[in-house]
Amino acid sequence: GAVVSQHPSRVICKSGTSVKIECRSLDFQATTMFWYRQFPKQSLMLMATSNEGSKATYEQGVEKDKFLINHASLTLSTLTVTSAHPEDSSFYICSARDYGGAGGTYNEQFFGPGTRLTVL
Amino acid sequence: SQKIEQNSEALNIQEGKTATLTCNYTNYSPAYLQWYRQDPGRGPVFLLLIRENEKEKRKERLKVTFDTTLKQSLFHITASQPADSATYLCALLIYNQGGKLIFGQGTELSVKP
Repeated sequence: GAVVSQHPSRVICKSGTSVKIECRSLDFQATTMFWYRQFPKQSLMLMATSNEGSKATYEQGVEKDKFLINHASLTLSTLTVTSAHPEDSSFYICSARDYGGAGGTYNEQFFGPGTRLTVL
Repeated sequence: SQKIEQNSEALNIQEGKTATLTCNYTNYSPAYLQWYRQDPGRGPVFLLLIRENEKEKRKERLKVTFDTTLKQSLFHITASQPADSATYLCALLIYNQGGKLIFGQGTELSVKP
């Protein structure tokens, strides 16, 4: 089955530093990748959608200058949390989807294992 | 805006019984509704997808129903086992917004031996 990896799985950083999280599709080409954030006991909240080779589309309320997303290849997307603060501490999860094909159907999204970010 | 709600935060049942989880949505007629399983500290794992024109979908011990009149989906696990204990999430696939998913808050299922 399709596998999506994330690195690192856990990261602890000091307030004010930047942290980069990688999301890779290991056995398929992901034309679209999604980034989610999940707080304890809460659901996944979509932060942004990125398509390979174009700028990411951010959801309302998500600061694009704070959460930089790059989707430079069909197998890699990165999320950089800039000038991190304690309130950015959360579980960040990416998902990847391959091309839907003719007819505009959408294939299944495959989720990564998540990255636990703790900002001190 | 689209809203999706799962009827309970937690559900406790005895092993061997059928677990039934509910997902309700408002303000939008989705193309697809999906169910995921999430274990603590892990990403969601896809279980089943059901389309607007489908009433029911089955996969082994899992069954999903979809009532577009009630705007509700039911997720059943028959002959439940302790290994089924996890959080179950329903999600709407928003067809005209690039196929993005909007998730419910999840129901934490605990199956006691």
